[in-house]
Amino acid sequence: NAGVTQTPKFQVLKTGQSMTLQCAQDMNHNSMYWYRQDPGMGLRLIYYSASEGTTDKGEVPNGYNVSRLNKREFSLRLESAAPSQTSVYFCASRSGTGGQETQYFGPGTRLLVL
Amino acid sequence: AQSVAQPEDQVNVAEGNPLTVKCTYSVSGNPYLFWYVQYPNRGLQFLLKYITGDNLVKGSYGFEAEFNKSQTSFHLKKPSALVSDSALYFCAVRGFSGGYNKLIFGAGTRLAVHP
Repeated sequence: NAGVTQTPKFQVLKTGQSMTLQCAQDMNHNSMYWYRQDPGMGLRLIYYSASEGTTDKGEVPNGYNVSRLNKREFSLRLESAAPSQTSVYFCASRSGTGGQETQYFGPGTRLLVL
Repeated sequence: AQSVAQPEDQVNVAEGNPLTVKCTYSVSGNPYLFWYVQYPNRGLQFLLKYITGDNLVKGSYGFEAEFNKSQTSFHLKKPSALVSDSALYFCAVRGFSGGYNKLIFGAGTRLAVHP
């Protein structure tokens, strides 16, 4: 049981390049999330997916797209990377509902956009 | 407005001393509150949560947190700090906006435990 896995661990892009961050969970969770972490700002929600085939925007969705092709995988795509997207990206999945919910995080992807 | 505040960027504690990491929140209704810890180059790990019931919640690694409704606080505590507790700690509250539930995170507090 690996929990939440993310690839790649680290990536350097030039402005305008595109890339896809991959996330997978093996806990059979319905809900999955993408966050970005910036110094002094905590984690901010980019997109989330309540179930397979559904996605919704979070607080900071501009410049990103997501895809939830199946229950396990939730990918985040940067179509044209900008320096402002330099950040650490975390994927998470959620167990339970209401008072029993807990989010489990992957190890993160460190992205540097030059 | 829904928000979480962690007023201290960093907390310094000597090993063996008690530690407190502060958190206050603002959310309508009954709060669901969480603490997560992040070790260097790792993702966030769940420590504990308050949903309802006893105001003192016990979690992983000997940590506990005290919910205080009148002060809208959820401070993280440990009776005796270890050097290995040094990490970044995030408080979060479950909020609701845009038609979905979400976790609202504080900015984080770095805990440094010195030998």
